[in-house]
Order: sequence, then structure tokens, then C-alpha cells
Amino acid sequence: SYELTQAPSVSVSPGQTASITCSGDKLGQKYACWYQQRPGQSPVLVIYEDRKRPSGIPERFSGSNSGNTATLTISGTQAMDEADYYCQAWDSSTGVVFGGGTKLTVL
Amino acid sequence: EVQLVESGGGLVQPGGSLRLSCAASGFTFSTYWMHWVRQAPGKGLVWVSRIQSDGSRTNYADSVKGRFTISRDNAKNTLSLQMHSLSAEDTALYYCAREGGGGGSGIDYWGQGTLVTVSS
Repeated sequence: SYELTQAPSVSVSPGQTASITCSGDKLGQKYACWYQQRPGQSPVLVIYEDRKRPSGIPERFSGSNSGNTATLTISGTQAMDEADYYCQAWDSSTGVVFGGGTKLTVL
Repeated sequence: EVQLVESGGGLVQPGGSLRLSCAASGFTFSTYWMHWVRQAPGKGLVWVSRIQSDGSRTNYADSVKGRFTISRDNAKNTLSLQMHSLSAEDTALYYCAREGGGGGSGIDYWGQGTLVTVSS
């Protein structure tokens, strides 16, 4: 079955750039999406089709996807960005696949 | 405003059954693929199942195949998940979610979830 791998945690200082990666076999040939989940809340889509932002998502969120790795980049990270982030892709055999999630700490 | 409201969760014994429902409003329900995604306490998101807009096609995670059945009633704007042979591993918050316009559009709206606890 298809798997997506994320680092369990990433730390960043306020105002700096955070990069969260997601790895999967030939992931660059699929579309990647990213979700933000704050504690006690439902997930929120922040990036779809590798690099597009839904309405209402700040410009500091951006995405890329190439080779085996998709990356979510948060520029000028704010305290409110502290959350769990999940990547997601679609695989024809496995279906919808989520990464294990990365906890972003802003300190 | 898009709203997805889940119901039907609760405490069930191992081996038991439960039926979850999701009431959708604020959009043309019959034109969207819909999903169920679950999250065990303190754990990550796990996809469960999805159903095509007209109900003609369904997909399931291997972990629930043969035990869970997804369905929808487009006349009532309702999504359902029938769950059988439940085990402790099925304990989770179950989210009803809407898939965006196709391709890599992602899951653009999520409900608040309904908690299923499997325990004796």
C-alpha cells in the first residue's frame, strides 16, 4: 500500500520560515494537499493541487511537489500557525492517503 | 455556509454495530464526492471511505473493507456509514468531509466529528 512519511515534529522561531516535508514514492507524479489541525479542532485545507491556496488561507502558506517529496512552507511563521500538519495524496490502489502528521512548534 | 453535522457516535461493545450519519447543508450535496475520515485519540488522520456524488462508486481503506458500508441519500442531503464487527482499533473521532472539485482538490470542508468508542 502507498505510504506518506512526515517528520513527527518541526520547530521554528517566530518570523522565520518553517518547512514541513512529506515523502512518498513518486509523489511528484500525484497531487499533494496539506491540512492544518489546531488542538481540539477539525482539519483545515491549506494547500491543494501541490501549491494552490484555498480562499482565506494567508499568502505565507505555500507548497511545492517534485520527485518523491512535497513541501509545505510557512514564511514569517506566527504563533497562530502552531498546529499539526498533514499531507495527503490519492493513490489508485490505496485510495486517499494521509501522512502521519508533523507537529509544528513556534518558539 | 457549508455545514456538515455528524451524529450517531457512542459507546459500543466489541463485535457490535453502529451507524453514523452526516447532515449536509449550504451546498449542492448531490454534486460532490463525500468522505469519512477518522482520528483515534492523540493520533493522526486516517481515511476510511469515500462515495461518488451519485452514489455509484465507493472506495474503502483496507482496514474497514467488508465491515463498513458508505452510502448517501441525495434527496435528504445525508451521508451515512454503517459499521459492523467493531473492535477497539475502530475507536476514533469520525469526520464527515467534502471533497473539492476533483483531481487534487483535497478535502475542503470537514464536520466536527462524532466519537465512536468500542469497549466492553
